[in-house]
Amino acid sequence: KNEVEQSPQNLTAQEGEFITINCSYSVGISALHWLQQHPGGGIVSLFMLSSGKKKHGRLIATINIQEKHSSLHITASHPRDSAVYICAVITGNQFYFGTGTSLTVIP
Amino acid sequence: DVKVTQSSRYLVKRTGEKVFLECVQDMDHENMFWYRQDPGLGLRLIYFSYDVKMKEKGDIPEGYSVSREKKERFSLILESASTNQTSMYLCASRGTGGETQYFGPGTRLLVL
Repeated sequence: KNEVEQSPQNLTAQEGEFITINCSYSVGISALHWLQQHPGGGIVSLFMLSSGKKKHGRLIATINIQEKHSSLHITASHPRDSAVYICAVITGNQFYFGTGTSLTVIP
Repeated sequence: DVKVTQSSRYLVKRTGEKVFLECVQDMDHENMFWYRQDPGLGLRLIYFSYDVKMKEKGDIPEGYSVSREKKERFSLILESASTNQTSMYLCASRGTGGETQYFGPGTRLLVL
């Protein structure tokens, strides 16, 4: 049983499209992270959320604590957004990771 | 600016070899983690350490051991590498009370 489920697993979009990646979790959490992993492996943290909504450039992350659900939106997608996006939740001292969504943005 | 470095980006080893993966962080973080990442399985925790000389098993510790002799360095050891340990290995660190993990660039290990 996975504590964190992401959808879709793979996503291909045309440049300029609006993209949504979803994350559902089953445990009580203190915070949720959206991570980005480019080809080559390095992972960077995009957002940390415990409630509401955060925006950074073309990226928007929302979380609904009652529904145990978060979404990552990318507006006006660009080929450089191509990466794996990983949802991770923190409960106590433990991190739980989703399996990631592989996004490819085609020019 | 937090920096987590790993000793190798790519590594090729033979079955039965002893393998050392080194991770160093420069932010005086108490907590350090080793994960492996495999397609379709996501990140899985192998071991973590919350202080020097302290270690705790994660979800998949079998076939691995760790060493934390200094606060900034956390080593992952494969005592006798096997082909099913071919994977991407990621190190991370986090300060006590902090909720952000900082990841290293990863080591892609191939065991032949």
